[in-house]
Amino acid sequence: KNQVEQSPQSLIILEGKNCTLQCNYTVSPFSNLRWYKQDTGRGPVSLTIMTFSENTKSNGRYTATLDADTKQSSLHITASQLSDSASYICVVSGSWAGNNRKLIWGLGTSLGVNP
Amino acid sequence: EAGVTQFPSHSVIEKGQTVTLRCDPISGHDNLYWYRRVMGKEIKFLLHFVKESKQDESGMPNNRFLAERTGGTYSTLKVQPAELEDSGVYFCASSQGRLLSGRGNEQFFGPGTRLTVL
Repeated sequence: KNQVEQSPQSLIILEGKNCTLQCNYTVSPFSNLRWYKQDTGRGPVSLTIMTFSENTKSNGRYTATLDADTKQSSLHITASQLSDSASYICVVSGSWAGNNRKLIWGLGTSLGVNP
Repeated sequence: EAGVTQFPSHSVIEKGQTVTLRCDPISGHDNLYWYRRVMGKEIKFLLHFVKESKQDESGMPNNRFLAERTGGTYSTLKVQPAELEDSGVYFCASSQGRLLSGRGNEQFFGPGTRLTVL
């Protein structure tokens, strides 16, 4: 069964600290993996997209890694800011061309950054 | 440039009533998608329009849901009659190109409509 599991479910850190969020997936055949940030009351916003051949991708203070062999990804946030408080969702796409139902969404990790 | 907008932001209705959700995609985006997130569950795909045509509606739960995109601009999603299990947040997204395997075309999401069926 195609699934995306994220951990931890929730996390609270102090402003300025780093953190790492995990994503394990069983989607096959694999096409790409996306990390989204979703602020409360807003829609998801894409942070990174990685294909099979990419091991790491950065977007400012966000760095995503991908190990396609172990089917694991992580999102590392450096020097956290209060505005980083949000839900971070891992989404994996299968290689079924053009079929949107194959975007498999995780439940997300709820991150809280406290001053 | 305006992003994807959705109306209303919240809707509270009673079981058996009808509700219509609206989505205005980013201007020029031919592709429009509807998603739903039920409380405690992951976001799930409902359907995909390319212009005014339904490209994929395999995620629609049942025939109580009707989506339209007349003229290929804005889209509506009607739930009639609404049931308790229809409660959730309905997201709309649009993209310039079709979501393909590989990097794909980026989807831009609206803020969602929170639907509560009592």
